[in-house]
Amino acid sequence: QSALTQPRSVSGSPGQSVTLSCTGTSSDVGGYDYVSWYQQHPGKAPRLMIYNVSKRPSGVPDRFSGSKSGNTASLTISGLQAEDEADYYCCSYAGSYLDVFGTGTEVTVL
Amino acid sequence: EVQLVESGGGLVQPGGSLRLSCAASGFTFSSYWMHWVRQGPGKGLVWVSRIKNDGSYATYADSVKGRFTISRDNAKNTLYLQMNSLRAEDTAVYYCAREYLALADWGQGALVTVSS
Repeated sequence: QSALTQPRSVSGSPGQSVTLSCTGTSSDVGGYDYVSWYQQHPGKAPRLMIYNVSKRPSGVPDRFSGSKSGNTASLTISGLQAEDEADYYCCSYAGSYLDVFGTGTEVTVL
Repeated sequence: EVQLVESGGGLVQPGGSLRLSCAASGFTFSSYWMHWVRQGPGKGLVWVSRIKNDGSYATYADSVKGRFTISRDNAKNTLYLQMNSLRAEDTAVYYCAREYLALADWGQGALVTVSS
């Protein structure tokens, strides 16, 4: 149960697009289409942004999108806004009813 | 409105025990799998445990297996995490979460500090 690998930080200017990566193995990210992404502002509980690789829950802006290729999942934020500045975590099902989170990426809006 | 409220956190000595509770409301608790996720100070999210909706099956992260026990009382709409043999590295905010879509609903968290 090793944590999925995410870049420590990503930054972009308002209106730009940023892409966050989440790298695992064939036993987790690559093996199942059960990757989810969470946004967490300081001192707050996480918020679900993407589930099942690319689906958005109701209420999540459509500038958030997800994808997967092989053992790497990605979250793209298009049209970056100030309120998008937060920590983002990926999470994958790892078989046998186990889950694993990523190391987290801090998104900074310049 | 879905609400999850954790309680039972606090300061405990290494080797001690603590039981967290998570009171659920706003949904049919007995229909959903539930999870515990923790976050150490200044660190990332770590998945801890999940339990089936009827309480008949549960899984754990390797880091807590054999020390932590997840359980639920569907009559009381409450999820529990019994934590034994606590270590300094178990210090964290512990969140309960409902498995809907993925982990769609989270509590506000309960702080557990393991220190002498």
